[in-house]
Amino acid sequence: DIQLTQSPSFLSASVGDRVTITCRASQGISSYLAWYQQKPGKAPEFLIYAAYTLHSGVPSRFSGSGSGTEFTLTISSLQPEDFATYYCQQVNSYPRTFGQGTKVEI
Amino acid sequence: EVQLVESGGILIPPGGSLRLSCAASGFTFSSYAMSWVRQAPGKGLQWVSAISGGGDSTHYADSVKGRFTISRDNSKNTVYLQMSSLRAEDAAVYFCAREVPQLDYWGQGTLVTVSS
Repeated sequence: DIQLTQSPSFLSASVGDRVTITCRASQGISSYLAWYQQKPGKAPEFLIYAAYTLHSGVPSRFSGSGSGTEFTLTISSLQPEDFATYYCQQVNSYPRTFGQGTKVEI
Repeated sequence: EVQLVESGGILIPPGGSLRLSCAASGFTFSSYAMSWVRQAPGKGLQWVSAISGGGDSTHYADSVKGRFTISRDNSKNTVYLQMSSLRAEDAAVYFCAREVPQLDYWGQGTLVTVSS
């Protein structure tokens, strides 16, 4: 199975900060990586697919990059509504797997 | 508007069986694979199972293989997760999601509690 490791697990930041989250895969997955945002008590929301393509309606301050085994999610200027937990997921093969999550806190 | 509504979550003792349902609307259900993802209290997301649009291909996480069965009824726009031999570690909120292959729409989740 493909393991995904996110870093950091927790991130303390302020409004306006640039934030970067890394997701590393245990083996190459080309660009078959997605990112999700989850707020407490809510279902996850889909942000990015194919490593860097924004889902419709996602603000342009979010961006993704990477391929192979290393990927990043960047928020260029953190907004109050961005404080949440972020997960990467590989969709290269089954079983699908998620990273352990990165909680972005104030 | 795409909508996914899960149901069936309850308090159930260890060793018990349970079937979750996910009713879909707002899209051509039979054209899409569907997945189940779970989240134990205070923990991260764990992918559980997926089924192809026609229902002829299924996939499972190792932790549930042989105990859980995913199925779908395209005439009812519903996907199911039959869970048996439930363990304490199966307790979680179970989400269904549309797979494209990333999970672009999610339901609100249904809570399964495993306890005697």
